[in-house]
Amino acid sequence: GQSLEQPSEVTAVEGAIVQINCTYQTSGFYGLSWYQQHDGGAPTFLSYNALDGLEETGRFSSFLSRSDSYGYLLLQELQMKDSASYFCAVKRDDKIIFGKGTRLHILP
Amino acid sequence: NAGVTQTPKFQVLKTGQSMTLQCAQDMNHEYMSWYRQDPGMGLRLIHYSVGAGITDQGEVPNGYNVSRSTTEDFPLRLLSAAPSQTSVYFCASSYSPTAYEQYFGPGTRLTVT
Repeated sequence: GQSLEQPSEVTAVEGAIVQINCTYQTSGFYGLSWYQQHDGGAPTFLSYNALDGLEETGRFSSFLSRSDSYGYLLLQELQMKDSASYFCAVKRDDKIIFGKGTRLHILP
Repeated sequence: NAGVTQTPKFQVLKTGQSMTLQCAQDMNHEYMSWYRQDPGMGLRLIHYSVGAGITDQGEVPNGYNVSRSTTEDFPLRLLSAAPSQTSVYFCASSYSPTAYEQYFGPGTRLTVT
C-alpha cells in the first residue's frame, strides 16, 4: 500500500525560507511530486523528483531521498501569494496518490 | 487550448438522485483521473483511465462509475447520491500514464442533502 505523511500546517514570515516535509511508505515508487493549491482553486504542478537530490525551479526547490523515503519542498524569499496548501504525491503503477496537504501561513 | 474543463461548477442533489459530472480536455492527453477533496483529507483518487476504453479503480471508487469512450471525455457518474458524497470533485489529465505532471480542471462543488 501507500501512505504519505506531511505536516498539516506550517507558519513562516514573509521573505524567509520554509521547508515542507513529506515521508512516504509505498511498496513501489516512481517519483515524488509537489502541487500547490490556493483557496477555492485547483491544484497546480510545482515539481517532480524521480531520483535522489535537489531540483530547483526559481524560488522553489524539491528534494528526494529514496533510501529514507523522504522528500521536502523548499520555498525561498516567501511572498504573501505563496499562502496556499501544498501537497506531495507519489506515483505507483498508474495511480497518483496525494498526501493530505500542508497549509502554509505567511506572516507579514 | 481550454485545458481541462468541468461542468457543472456547482450542483445540489437530493439523496438517491443520480447525476453525471462532465470532464473534457483538449490536449490529446491519454491519462485522465477523478479525485474528490474533503477538508483535511487531501485529494483521493476515485477512478482513472490510461486511454480510451480503459478505466480502473482508485482509492475510493464505491458509488461512482466512469467510462472513457473518447480520448477527450471522462464523465463521472454518481449512481445514487448520498450525503457522504458531498465534496469538491476534480478531474485531471496528463500526457501519458508515465507523465508525472497532471493538469487539473477547476472543480465541481457537489452538495447532497
